[in-house]
Amino acid sequence: GENVEQHPSTLSVQEGDSAVIKCTYSDSASNYFPWYKQELGKGPQLIIDIRSNVGEKKDQRIAVTLNKTAKHFSLHITETQPEDSAVYFCAASRGGSYIPTFGRGTSLIVHP
Amino acid sequence: EADIYQTPRYLVIGTGKKITLECSQTMGHDKMYWYQQDPGMELHLIHYSYGVNSTEKGDLSSESTVSRIRTEHFPLTLESARPSHTSQYLCASLDETQYFGPGTRLLVL
Repeated sequence: GENVEQHPSTLSVQEGDSAVIKCTYSDSASNYFPWYKQELGKGPQLIIDIRSNVGEKKDQRIAVTLNKTAKHFSLHITETQPEDSAVYFCAASRGGSYIPTFGRGTSLIVHP
Repeated sequence: EADIYQTPRYLVIGTGKKITLECSQTMGHDKMYWYQQDPGMELHLIHYSYGVNSTEKGDLSSESTVSRIRTEHFPLTLESARPSHTSQYLCASLDETQYFGPGTRLLVL
Protein backbone atom coordinates (compact mmCIF):
# COMPACT_ATOMS: atom_id res chain seq x y z
CA GLY A 1 0.00 0.00 0.00
CA GLU A 2 0.87 3.68 -0.08
CA ASN A 3 3.23 5.15 2.51
CA VAL A 4 3.56 8.91 3.03
CA GLU A 5 6.42 10.40 5.01
CA GLN A 6 6.17 14.03 6.15
CA HIS A 7 8.96 16.27 7.50
CA PRO A 8 9.58 18.11 9.70
CA SER A 9 7.20 17.21 12.52
CA THR A 10 7.64 20.69 14.02
CA LEU A 11 8.64 23.91 12.27
CA SER A 12 9.20 27.20 14.03
CA VAL A 13 9.69 30.41 12.00
CA GLN A 14 9.62 34.15 12.50
CA GLU A 15 6.79 36.17 11.04
CA GLY A 16 7.62 37.11 7.45
CA ASP A 17 9.89 34.11 6.87
CA SER A 18 9.09 31.30 4.44
CA ALA A 19 8.11 27.80 5.57
CA VAL A 20 8.56 24.57 3.62
CA ILE A 21 7.03 21.20 4.50
CA LYS A 22 8.06 18.12 2.53
CA CYS A 23 6.35 14.81 1.86
CA THR A 24 7.43 11.68 0.03
CA TYR A 25 5.19 8.89 -1.20
CA SER A 26 5.83 5.32 -2.26
CA ASP A 27 3.08 4.41 -4.75
CA SER A 28 3.97 5.65 -8.24
CA ALA A 29 0.28 5.28 -9.19
CA SER A 30 -0.73 8.05 -6.76
CA ASN A 31 -1.97 11.03 -8.74
CA TYR A 32 -3.71 13.39 -6.32
CA PHE A 33 -1.95 15.26 -3.51
CA PRO A 34 -3.97 17.52 -1.19
CA TRP A 35 -2.68 19.62 1.70
CA TYR A 36 -4.79 20.29 4.79
CA LYS A 37 -4.52 22.87 7.56
CA GLN A 38 -5.87 22.01 11.00
CA GLU A 39 -6.34 24.86 13.46
CA LEU A 40 -6.79 24.25 17.16
CA GLY A 41 -10.21 22.80 17.95
CA LYS A 42 -11.16 22.29 14.30
CA GLY A 43 -11.05 19.57 11.70
CA PRO A 44 -8.51 19.64 8.84
CA GLN A 45 -9.44 21.94 5.96
CA LEU A 46 -8.17 21.68 2.38
CA ILE A 47 -5.87 24.58 1.51
CA ILE A 48 -4.37 23.50 -1.81
CA ASP A 49 -4.03 20.39 -3.95
CA ILE A 50 -2.09 19.23 -6.99
CA ARG A 51 -2.51 16.49 -9.54
CA SER A 52 0.23 14.44 -11.13
CA ASN A 53 -0.07 16.17 -14.50
CA VAL A 54 1.03 19.48 -12.94
CA GLY A 55 4.41 20.38 -11.46
CA GLU A 56 3.49 23.44 -9.46
CA LYS A 57 0.41 25.28 -8.25
CA LYS A 58 0.12 28.61 -6.45
CA ASP A 59 -2.61 30.34 -4.48
CA GLN A 60 -1.52 33.70 -3.08
CA ARG A 61 1.12 32.95 -0.40
CA ILE A 62 0.80 29.17 -0.70
CA ALA A 63 2.37 26.97 -3.35
CA VAL A 64 2.78 23.24 -3.84
CA THR A 65 5.40 21.56 -6.00
CA LEU A 66 5.43 17.96 -7.21
CA ASN A 67 8.34 15.88 -8.43
CA LYS A 68 6.86 12.64 -9.80
CA THR A 69 10.24 11.12 -10.61
CA ALA A 70 11.48 11.51 -7.06
CA LYS A 71 8.00 10.89 -5.61
CA HIS A 72 7.97 13.93 -3.41
CA PHE A 73 5.86 17.03 -3.04
CA SER A 74 6.24 20.14 -0.92
CA LEU A 75 4.16 22.93 0.57
CA HIS A 76 5.66 26.42 0.49
CA ILE A 77 4.26 29.28 2.54
CA THR A 78 5.77 32.72 1.94
CA GLU A 79 5.55 35.80 4.17
CA THR A 80 4.27 33.74 7.07
CA GLN A 81 1.84 35.30 9.52
CA PRO A 82 0.86 34.25 13.07
CA GLU A 83 -2.49 33.01 11.73
CA ASP A 84 -0.59 30.45 9.64
CA SER A 85 0.25 28.66 12.91
CA ALA A 86 -1.50 25.28 12.71
CA VAL A 87 -0.91 21.61 11.96
CA TYR A 88 -0.47 20.82 8.26
CA PHE A 89 -1.09 17.41 6.70
CA CYS A 90 -0.12 16.14 3.28
CA ALA A 91 -1.93 13.21 1.66
CA ALA A 92 -1.69 11.03 -1.43
CA SER A 93 -4.26 8.97 -3.28
CA ARG A 94 -4.79 7.41 -6.69
CA GLY A 95 -7.73 7.16 -8.99
CA GLY A 96 -10.04 4.31 -8.06
CA SER A 97 -8.92 4.37 -4.44
CA TYR A 98 -10.99 6.52 -2.14
CA ILE A 99 -8.75 6.03 0.87
CA PRO A 100 -6.17 8.85 1.03
CA THR A 101 -2.94 8.13 2.88
CA PHE A 102 -1.95 10.96 5.23
CA GLY A 103 1.41 12.12 6.46
CA ARG A 104 1.87 12.37 10.21
CA GLY A 105 1.47 16.14 10.29
CA THR A 106 3.70 19.19 10.80
CA SER A 107 3.10 21.65 13.60
CA LEU A 108 3.97 25.11 12.22
CA ILE A 109 4.56 27.88 14.73
CA VAL A 110 4.93 31.44 13.45
CA HIS A 111 6.40 33.80 16.04
CA PRO A 112 5.29 37.45 15.85
CA GLU B 1 -16.76 25.76 3.91
CA ALA B 2 -18.02 22.19 3.82
CA ASP B 3 -21.38 21.30 5.35
CA ILE B 4 -20.40 18.45 7.62
CA TYR B 5 -21.43 18.40 11.25
CA GLN B 6 -20.46 16.42 14.32
CA THR B 7 -22.18 16.21 17.68
CA PRO B 8 -21.39 16.38 20.45
CA ARG B 9 -18.25 18.49 20.19
CA TYR B 10 -17.09 17.43 23.66
CA LEU B 11 -18.11 14.43 25.74
CA VAL B 12 -17.01 13.24 29.19
CA ILE B 13 -18.41 9.89 30.26
CA GLY B 14 -17.74 7.05 32.66
CA THR B 15 -16.31 3.66 31.82
CA GLY B 16 -18.83 1.13 30.54
CA LYS B 17 -21.27 3.63 29.04
CA LYS B 18 -22.63 3.25 25.52
CA ILE B 19 -22.16 6.30 23.36
CA THR B 20 -22.95 7.36 19.81
CA LEU B 21 -21.04 10.07 17.98
CA GLU B 22 -23.12 11.71 15.30
CA CYS B 23 -21.93 12.82 11.87
CA SER B 24 -24.05 14.38 9.16
CA GLN B 25 -23.32 15.97 5.80
CA THR B 26 -25.63 17.84 3.48
CA MET B 27 -23.52 17.56 0.33
CA GLY B 28 -24.93 14.24 -0.86
CA HIS B 29 -21.51 12.56 -0.75
CA ASP B 30 -21.54 8.76 -0.95
CA LYS B 31 -18.18 8.21 0.72
CA MET B 32 -17.77 8.90 4.42
CA TYR B 33 -15.01 8.22 6.94
CA TRP B 34 -14.20 8.15 10.65
CA TYR B 35 -10.71 8.93 11.88
CA GLN B 36 -9.21 8.78 15.35
CA GLN B 37 -6.64 11.48 15.95
CA ASP B 38 -3.78 11.12 18.42
CA PRO B 39 -2.75 13.97 20.69
CA GLY B 40 0.39 13.78 18.58
CA MET B 41 -1.65 14.71 15.49
CA GLU B 42 -1.57 11.51 13.39
CA LEU B 43 -4.86 10.53 11.73
CA HIS B 44 -5.91 6.87 11.93
CA LEU B 45 -8.72 5.58 9.70
CA ILE B 46 -11.10 3.43 11.77
CA HIS B 47 -14.18 3.09 9.52
CA TYR B 48 -15.39 4.09 6.09
CA SER B 49 -18.44 3.74 3.90
CA TYR B 50 -18.90 3.88 0.13
CA GLY B 51 -22.62 4.46 0.38
CA VAL B 52 -25.86 3.36 2.00
CA ASN B 53 -25.57 -0.08 3.62
CA SER B 54 -21.81 -0.15 3.00
CA THR B 55 -19.38 -0.12 5.94
CA GLU B 56 -15.75 -1.22 6.16
CA LYS B 57 -13.10 -1.30 8.87
CA GLY B 58 -10.06 0.90 8.45
CA ASP B 59 -6.41 0.41 9.22
CA LEU B 60 -6.65 0.96 12.95
CA SER B 61 -8.41 -1.71 14.95
CA SER B 62 -11.32 -0.19 16.80
CA GLU B 63 -13.94 -1.51 19.18
CA SER B 64 -16.46 0.90 17.67
CA THR B 65 -19.13 0.13 15.09
CA VAL B 66 -20.77 2.28 12.41
CA SER B 67 -23.93 2.24 10.36
CA ARG B 68 -24.99 3.89 7.10
CA ILE B 69 -28.74 3.78 6.71
CA ARG B 70 -29.00 7.20 5.06
CA THR B 71 -26.56 8.91 2.74
CA GLU B 72 -26.24 11.98 4.93
CA HIS B 73 -25.77 10.21 8.28
CA PHE B 74 -22.82 8.09 9.50
CA PRO B 75 -22.93 7.54 13.28
CA LEU B 76 -20.19 5.81 15.27
CA THR B 77 -21.09 3.77 18.37
CA LEU B 78 -19.04 2.53 21.29
CA GLU B 79 -20.98 -0.18 23.15
CA SER B 80 -18.86 0.04 26.30
CA ALA B 81 -16.50 2.99 26.56
CA ARG B 82 -13.08 2.58 28.17
CA PRO B 83 -10.34 5.08 29.08
CA SER B 84 -8.34 3.81 26.08
CA HIS B 85 -11.08 5.28 23.86
CA THR B 86 -10.18 8.79 24.99
CA SER B 87 -9.28 10.65 21.80
CA GLN B 88 -10.51 13.04 19.16
CA TYR B 89 -12.81 11.54 16.52
CA LEU B 90 -13.06 13.19 13.10
CA CYS B 91 -15.72 12.48 10.50
CA ALA B 92 -15.16 13.23 6.82
CA SER B 93 -16.92 12.88 3.50
CA LEU B 94 -15.42 12.73 0.03
CA ASP B 95 -16.25 14.40 -3.23
CA GLU B 96 -13.01 14.96 -5.12
CA THR B 97 -11.26 15.62 -1.84
CA GLN B 98 -12.12 14.99 1.78
CA TYR B 99 -14.13 17.45 3.84
CA PHE B 100 -13.77 17.11 7.60
CA GLY B 101 -16.15 17.90 10.41
CA PRO B 102 -15.00 19.84 13.50
CA GLY B 103 -14.40 16.67 15.53
CA THR B 104 -15.63 15.21 18.82
CA ARG B 105 -13.29 15.23 21.80
CA LEU B 106 -14.08 12.19 23.95
CA LEU B 107 -12.83 11.70 27.50
CA VAL B 108 -13.63 8.41 29.22
CA LEU B 109 -13.04 8.40 32.96
